[in-house]
Amino acid sequence: SAVISQKPSRDICQRGTSLTIQCQVDSQVTMMFWYRQQPGQSLTLIATANQGSEATYESGFVIDKFPISRPNLTFSTLTVSNMSPEDSSIYLCSVESPGDGGQYFGPGTRLTVT
Amino acid sequence: QKEVEQNSGPLSVPEGAIASLNCTYSDRGSQSFFWYRQYSGKSPELIMFIYSNGDKEDGRFTAQLNKASQYVSLLIRDSQPSDSATYLCAAPINTGTASKLTFGTGTRLQVTL
Repeated sequence: SAVISQKPSRDICQRGTSLTIQCQVDSQVTMMFWYRQQPGQSLTLIATANQGSEATYESGFVIDKFPISRPNLTFSTLTVSNMSPEDSSIYLCSVESPGDGGQYFGPGTRLTVT
Repeated sequence: QKEVEQNSGPLSVPEGAIASLNCTYSDRGSQSFFWYRQYSGKSPELIMFIYSNGDKEDGRFTAQLNKASQYVSLLIRDSQPSDSATYLCAAPINTGTASKLTFGTGTRLQVTL
């Protein structure tokens, strides 16, 4: 399975500001996925990031709010822009392992917006 | 109808018993299913995935898939208190270029002493 790290692990931010979350994988992967898990809820896919092209966003998520970069096959960033308290969530990146086809998650970034 | 459905629980089983977690899905085209375990405050951990009809066993865990009934389950034998967690069922939505996961709401399992 892939080893995935995320930075920061948690942050407390003021409304109206932006936070960029980094995701690093220990092997090259084609697709990286960004999910959100709101308090007490299950996971919701935000977008799929493919190296060399624009991210594909799910219904309800837009690039202006959640810009994503994917500069190479082991790294991606998700920015949460112009934050409001409703953005308080855990943000997770995941990758599909080319070895076994399983999808593995990073440790997550716990964001609190005040 | 949600694409992947689970009973939210909590499901309470005594230590040493078999815990049975169930999941139904709506897309007959789904080809694979994933079970994740999530401890409170942690990220989901992949514990099993299954592609074929029938059973797949890994240690104390058995995944069962019935495509005709659109039903997938996870059995945990000899349940331990450390198995107490939320179990998430997920199915990929294939777009042709990526496999995205859609998750059930999760079932909270409590293993009691």
